[in-house]
Amino acid sequence: GAGVSQSPSNKVTEKGKDVELRCDPISGHTALYWYRQSLGQGLEFLIYFQGNSAPDKSGLPSDRFSAERTGGSVSTLTIQRTQQEDSAVYLCASSPGQGASDTQYFGPGTRLTVL
Amino acid sequence: AQSVSQHNHHVILSEAASLELGCNYSYGGTVNLFWYVQYPGQHLQLLLKYFSGDPLVKGIKGFEAEFIKSKFSFNLRKPSVQWSDTAEYFCAVGNSGYSTLTFGKGTMLLVSP
Repeated sequence: GAGVSQSPSNKVTEKGKDVELRCDPISGHTALYWYRQSLGQGLEFLIYFQGNSAPDKSGLPSDRFSAERTGGSVSTLTIQRTQQEDSAVYLCASSPGQGASDTQYFGPGTRLTVL
Repeated sequence: AQSVSQHNHHVILSEAASLELGCNYSYGGTVNLFWYVQYPGQHLQLLLKYFSGDPLVKGIKGFEAEFIKSKFSFNLRKPSVQWSDTAEYFCAVGNSGYSTLTFGKGTMLLVSP
């Protein structure tokens, strides 16, 4: 079946602009995660959605970052007033939502470049 | 907050050499442990995971990892690497009751033919 998809694959924006990144999880997966991968820094957790529960936003680096998940499926990560330090690859993952031992399935990522 | 440390940022090996990539974590409670791999141009994918039972776990492509609780370690091993194992390897740790993961910074493995 189809894996996790993300769009766009690349996004170049000017400092101060807002951007929206989209994630389509695997059908039937109730858990969805956003991570940020910066060069040499590994993956940094941003936000986690599980079913209809309130999202865990503890990883969001500032209030410029927000995310929504509509209808328990597609998610959008929004970065307002982008800064150069926001440049990174933003990864989305989904999992069945059965527990902490779930395997997370990752998308290809969106490479964001802020000029 | 828990942290994950991967000992080597870059490893270069010749084909048929043995591989061991170190991973240590800081959390003292019950953990779930993962190794993910990212081949050039591909998505992150699961190599193997441990959440209970036999501390020696086997994954895809001949990889294995051993959970040593007393050492807070989950090192990845392969007896004989191939050129196709060239990739970046990430160790990740999750609390037993919590689904989000803390990742290490990754180890880039280059296998020369």
